[in-house]
Amino acid sequence: GAGVSQSPRYKVAKRGQDVALRCDPISGHVSLFWYQQALGQGPEFLTYFQNEAQLDKSGLPSDRFFAERPEGSVSTLKIQRTQQEDSAVYLCASSLAASSGPDTQYFGPGTRLTVL
Amino acid sequence: AQSVTQPDIHITVSEGASLELRCNYSYGATPYLFWYVQSPGQGLQLLLKYFSGDTLVQGIKGFEAEFKRSQSSFNLRKPSVHWSDAAEYFCAVVARNNNDMRFGAGTRLTVKP
Repeated sequence: GAGVSQSPRYKVAKRGQDVALRCDPISGHVSLFWYQQALGQGPEFLTYFQNEAQLDKSGLPSDRFFAERPEGSVSTLKIQRTQQEDSAVYLCASSLAASSGPDTQYFGPGTRLTVL
Repeated sequence: AQSVTQPDIHITVSEGASLELRCNYSYGATPYLFWYVQSPGQGLQLLLKYFSGDTLVQGIKGFEAEFKRSQSSFNLRKPSVHWSDAAEYFCAVVARNNNDMRFGAGTRLTVKP
C-alpha cells in the first residue's frame, strides 16, 4: 500500500499483559514517529526514529514502554505490564526527510488499545 | 513553557457558512505550524503547513490559514463549509530545534444541514 499501515487496528488486553503494536511506514521514509492519543485529546509525542536510530524517546511515559526499528523500516511499540491508563489510540507517522521540521508527517490509522 | 492552545472545544456551523478555527502557540521562536484533520476512525490528514514566507497559506479542501506573529496565532479558515468537513481539527507545532510535534487538544466541528 501507499500509506502508513498499523496493526492490529484494535487490541484488547487484560491489565498486566504485554502488547506489541506494529507500524509499517511508507517505503523509503527515513523518519518514524509514535504518538499516543487519549480519548478526547490531541496526540502526544512518544518517540522518534531516524532510520534505525531512536533519536528521541523523551515522550515515553514510563519504562514499560519500549520502541524499536531494527532495520530502519518497520517499527514496533511494546508496552509491558499494561495498565488501564495505557488505553488510548497509538498513532504512527513517517516522513521522508531525516528530521521533523517542515516535512509532512503521514499518519497511519492508529491502533486502539483497550486495557481491561 | 511551550504550548499549543485551541480555545474552542466544539464548534457548530451551518452548511455554506464560513468557518474559523483558532490556534495559539507559546514558543520562544516561531515554530513550524500545521493543521490536521481527523475523521472518525481515520488517521490524521495534513491540511496545510507554514514554516516561512507568505503568511497566508493555502491548503487542501479549500482551507487556508493565516500566520500572525504579533498574536502568536495560526487560525484556520474556510469560506463555505460542506457537510463532509465535519471532523476533528488539530493545530500542531514543531519547534525549530527539535523533532517532537505538539498538538492542541482539537476542535470538533459539527455541520448543520
